[in-house]
Amino acid sequence: KAGVTQTPRYLIKTRGQQVTLSCSPISGHRSVSWYQQTPGQGLQFLFEYFSETQRNKGNFPGRFSGRQFSNSRSEMNVSTLELGDSALYLCASSLASGRAAGELFFGEGSRLTVL
Amino acid sequence: AQTVTQSQPEMSVQEAETVTLSCTYDTSENNYYLFWYKQPPSRQMILVIRQEAYKQQNATENRFSVNFQKAAKSFSLKISDSQLGDTAMYFCAFLDSGGYQKVTFGTGTKLQVIP
Repeated sequence: KAGVTQTPRYLIKTRGQQVTLSCSPISGHRSVSWYQQTPGQGLQFLFEYFSETQRNKGNFPGRFSGRQFSNSRSEMNVSTLELGDSALYLCASSLASGRAAGELFFGEGSRLTVL
Repeated sequence: AQTVTQSQPEMSVQEAETVTLSCTYDTSENNYYLFWYKQPPSRQMILVIRQEAYKQQNATENRFSVNFQKAAKSFSLKISDSQLGDTAMYFCAFLDSGGYQKVTFGTGTKLQVIP
C-alpha cells in the first residue's frame, strides 16, 4: 500500500507570494491533517479534514487555508508569504476512528523556504 | 488547552544500553490517548507506541515500553537494547478522545545512539 505522498518536496518562494502544497493520503484514509514544523516552535497543528469537511483548526492566521477533495486528497495554501512561514509542512493521514484514533501516518513533508 | 512537555532536548545512550525519555502533559480530560512518535534524520515520522488513558496496563512494542502514570500526568518511553537505528527525534503526543485528530506534540527529544 502506498504511503502518504506530499508534493512538492522542496520549494523556494519570495515574500508576498502564495504557495499551494498537495497531499495524497493512504488509500482508505479519510482524515488528513497538516502540521507546520520549525526548529523553534516544533510541530504546530494547522487543520484537519475529514470527508471534505474541516473539523479542526489550529491557531494560525487566515493566510493559511486548506481543502480536501472527494478522493481525500488535500491541499493547503499559504497566501502573502512571510519569512516566518519558512518551515517543513507535514501532512498526515489516518483512519481517524476507534482503535486508530491518533495514529497518524506522515508524509516526508514539503520544505518551504521564503526569501 | 492541552500541553505536552519534554524536558530533555537531547540525550545519548550507548548501543545495547537502556534509555528513558520523559514526558509530562497537562489536561482536564479523562479520556485521551498518548503517543510516542519517532522522526529519524531526514525521514518520515512514524508511530512508536500508543497508550489509551483508560488502560492501566503500560503499552509495550518489542524493545519499546512506556511508564504511564495517569495521576502524575507522566508518560515516559523506555528503549531497551538501544540500536543505531533508534537515533532520531522522539516526540511525545496527546489526543483527547473528542478531539478528532488534533494531536498536540511536545518539542521533542533528540536521541543519539553511540556505537
